[in-house]
Amino acid sequence: EPEVTQTPSHQVTQMGQEVILRCVPISNHLYFYWYRQILGQKVEFLVSFYNNEISEKSEIFDDQFSVERPDGSNFTLKIRSTKLEDSAMYFCASSEGLGGNYNEQFFGPGTRLTVL
Amino acid sequence: ILNVEQSPQSLHVQEGDSTNFTCSFPSSNFYALHWYRWETAKSPEALFVMTLNGDEKKKGRISATLNTKEGYSYLYIKGSQPEDSATYLCAHSKAAGNKLTFGGGTRVLVKP
Repeated sequence: EPEVTQTPSHQVTQMGQEVILRCVPISNHLYFYWYRQILGQKVEFLVSFYNNEISEKSEIFDDQFSVERPDGSNFTLKIRSTKLEDSAMYFCASSEGLGGNYNEQFFGPGTRLTVL
Repeated sequence: ILNVEQSPQSLHVQEGDSTNFTCSFPSSNFYALHWYRWETAKSPEALFVMTLNGDEKKKGRISATLNTKEGYSYLYIKGSQPEDSATYLCAHSKAAGNKLTFGGGTRVLVKP
């Protein structure tokens, strides 16, 4: 069964460093998303990506964040200068597109980012 | 209701017992309500996508109902088993391709 994969599973970094979180969405999906969950809080939306551009982003997704689909399979989230408050579980998700089962989104297992 | 809320936050269930819990969501600008089952270190697993008022969906011993007019959904687990232990998340979307807005989850622990 197709699945969304994410690497690495755990990333530890120093404050101020750049990190890139990687995702491989399901191959025929057209919409891609990043969410995160800070420990003890709700899962929150960061950004959605469609047709090689950002379709929606949250207030959290400021200039320190960027997304890219560098080839036909990968979808990346870059944090340019990490802060302590960026420590969270980051989830990638994908969906078929506007016609696909009412926007059912399939999630990867997450990358736990720890900023020291 | 402005946010997606779930209750209770956690519950303990004896093996074999049935249980249910609630998700409340904004009834305006409603497109779909999603239920996920999430075990630690695994991907959240999609259980149901529900769109129509009065909708009922079932997957094995798990079922869900939807009331879009009053903005709530119930998830039921019949005859709970230890493997049902997980966090159950609901999420609301306002349009196709739109972001999901999540509740805080209900953590279910089934005791043998």
